[in-house]
Amino acid sequence: AQKITQTQPGMFVQEKEAVTLDCTYDTSDPSYGLFWYKQPSSGEMIFLIYQGSYDQQNATEGRYSLNFQKARKSANLVISASQLGDSAMYFCARGDSSYKLIFGSGTRLLVRP
Amino acid sequence: EAGVVQSPRYKIIEKKQPVAFWCNPISGHNTLYWYRQNLGQGPELLIRYENEEAVDDSQLPKDRFSAERLKGVDSTLKIQPAELGDSAVYLCASSLSRGNTEAFFGQGTRLTVV
Repeated sequence: AQKITQTQPGMFVQEKEAVTLDCTYDTSDPSYGLFWYKQPSSGEMIFLIYQGSYDQQNATEGRYSLNFQKARKSANLVISASQLGDSAMYFCARGDSSYKLIFGSGTRLLVRP
Repeated sequence: EAGVVQSPRYKIIEKKQPVAFWCNPISGHNTLYWYRQNLGQGPELLIRYENEEAVDDSQLPKDRFSAERLKGVDSTLKIQPAELGDSAVYLCASSLSRGNTEAFFGQGTRLTVV
């Protein structure tokens, strides 16, 4: 099965510091997209950032950036200047030609004051 | 603009009972997804609609699950009869089109089967 691997079940970060959440993926499709979603305790999945497989530059959205290393098949999420409200589950997902998202098992991030 | 709306937020039923979940996608979004999220895991696709057509239902347990999206707008997911293992969060998502990069999710329905 072509899957998404998030090796960090839980992470701690000090408020105002940066944190990197790891994601590796497996695919045989030449064209695909990589997504990161945030899921707070309320349950909704909040879209954070997207990277296309043909994008030359790493995606950035405010405090979120995606460290895309295509040859290594990794798409790590970097959150800069962590805030208490960043505490949540974070899911990496891959979309491909079948137009469905395949999610990893998630990383729980806890921001310490 | 209203987001994806799901109801109910929570549902507790006894096993072997039927249950239905409702989803209203973002206006104008042609693609609608139903995902199931088990505790401690990421969501898994159950079914994807393009307008009113179910184009990917390979992961839907068809013996007990059914879904419909009449008129290509809102959608209903049904389980009959429910089993203990169906306890999960059922998430609905929509996107502008199948090639669109971003899917918007609702808050989900947390189902507990006792």
